Amino acid sequence: AQSVTQLDSQVPVFEEAPVELRCNYSSSVSVYLFWYVQYPNQGLQLLLKYLSGSTLVKGINGFEAEFNKSQTSFHLRKPSVHISDTAEYFCAVSGDYKLSFGAGTTVTVRA
Amino acid sequence: NAGVTQTPKFQVLKTGQSMTLQCAQDMNHEYMSWYRQDPGMGLRLIHYSVGAGITDQGEVPNGYNVSRSTTEDFPLRLLSAAPSQTSVYFCASSLGQGVSGANVLTFGAGSRLTVL
Repeated sequence: AQSVTQLDSQVPVFEEAPVELRCNYSSSVSVYLFWYVQYPNQGLQLLLKYLSGSTLVKGINGFEAEFNKSQTSFHLRKPSVHISDTAEYFCAVSGDYKLSFGAGTTVTVRA
Repeated sequence: NAGVTQTPKFQVLKTGQSMTLQCAQDMNHEYMSWYRQDPGMGLRLIHYSVGAGITDQGEVPNGYNVSRSTTEDFPLRLLSAAPSQTSVYFCASSLGQGVSGANVLTFGAGSRLTVL
C-alpha cells in the first residue's frame, strides 16, 4: 500500500515570486510519482511525472519536481508564478495497480 | 478525440434514490477508474477496471457498483443514495495501469452530485 502527504493545504504567493509545494510519500514497493493540477471547475491535468532516471523532472508551464528517495519526497517548484497558476495541485503515487492522491494544495497567486 | 466523457455534469438526488453516472472513453484505454473528490481529502478511488469484464474495489467502494461490459464504458451506479455521497465524481482512464503504474490518467470533467 502507498500513501501521500501534502504538507501545505494553502499556499498564497505573489505574482513573479517562487513557489514550492511539498509532498512526502510512503510505499512498500517501487513507486512512480506524479503532480496533477486542477484549475477551477475542471478535471485534473498532468503537470509532470517521475518514472525512473534523473531525479529532477521538468513539466509543463515551467514547473519542476525533484525525487528524493532517502527523504521520500517529491516537492514541486516554480521559480516565478503567474496569476494563471492559481489552482489546486495534487501529488500522487502509483503502485499496486492504484494511484493514490494527496489531499491537495491550493495555490492562490496575488498581483 | 473526445477523451473521457462524463454525464451528467450536475445531478440532485433525494436520499434513497438510485442513479448511474456514465463514463465513456474513445482512446481504447484498458484501465478505467472512478474517484470521488471531497474538500480536504483529495481524490479517493472508488472502483477500477483493468479491462472489459474485470472490476475491483478501491479505497471507498461501499454504496457503489460498477460493471465493464465494453472497453469504452464504465458506469458507476449508486444503489440507494445517501447525503454522505454528495461529492464530485471523476472518471479516469489510461492505456494500462499494470504493475509499473507508469501510464498517465486522463480525467473527465467531473460530475457534481448532491444528495438531499
